[in-house]
Amino acid sequence: DSGVTQTPKHLITATGQRVTLRCSPRSGDLSVYWYQQSLDQGLQFLIQYYNGEERAKGNILERFSAQQFPDLHSELNLSSLELGDSALYFCASSTRGGGYTFGSGTRLTVV
Amino acid sequence: AQKITQTQPGMFVQEKEAVTLDCTYDTSDPSYGLFWYKQPSSGEMIFLIYQGSYDQQNATEGRYSLNFQKARKSANLVISASQLGDSAMYFCAMRVRSNFGNEKLTFGTGTRLTIIP
Repeated sequence: DSGVTQTPKHLITATGQRVTLRCSPRSGDLSVYWYQQSLDQGLQFLIQYYNGEERAKGNILERFSAQQFPDLHSELNLSSLELGDSALYFCASSTRGGGYTFGSGTRLTVV
Repeated sequence: AQKITQTQPGMFVQEKEAVTLDCTYDTSDPSYGLFWYKQPSSGEMIFLIYQGSYDQQNATEGRYSLNFQKARKSANLVISASQLGDSAMYFCAMRVRSNFGNEKLTFGTGTRLTIIP
C-alpha cells in the first residue's frame, strides 16, 4: 500500500456519461497530481493541486475538471465521455521538496 | 519545454545479467529532478530511484543505480543481477519546479523489460 488511495479501481461506463474519480493523498502530503495513461498518448500530466489551490495545468480537456477539498482529497470529474477517454488515471501526491507517491490507478473503460 | 526520450521500446535480458535502460532529457532549467518508475503488469507505478540535478554522486538504491551524465543530459538506469520479477515497463521522468510552487513530472514513453530465465 503506497498510502495514496484511489477509488474506484475499475469503472465501465457508456459514451456521453459523467464519472468522478477520487483520490486520497498520503498523510501529510499537500500536493495532488492527476495523470492519464493511454496506449496512444502515454503518461500525460493533467493537473496539480496544492493545499486546495490549482497550481499547474497540463493536457487536460475542457470536459475534465478537478478539485481538492479542505481535507486534501481530490476528485477528477470526466464528462461527456468518449471512447478515447478510456485510460488508466493515476493520482499522485507529494510533500514540498519530496518525491511522488502514486496510487494504484483507476482503469476507466468507455463503451 | 521539457522532454524525456527513451529509445528502447523493448529489451530482453537473461536472468542474473545487468541491464541498462537509456534515458535522455532536455530542459533549459538548471534545477530539475530525474526519476525512474517501474510499472508491472498489475499497473501500479513503483518509485525506484531519484537524482537531483545538483547531486554530485550517482544515486543508488539496492540493485538500482542511476548513471547520471549531466553534460550529455542522460540518466540511464542500471539494474544489477536482474531477476524474473524485474520484468515490467520502466519509465524515466523529469520534474521541473517553478518558484510559484507548480510542478509536474514529464514522462518518457517507457521501456518494456523482459527477463528470460
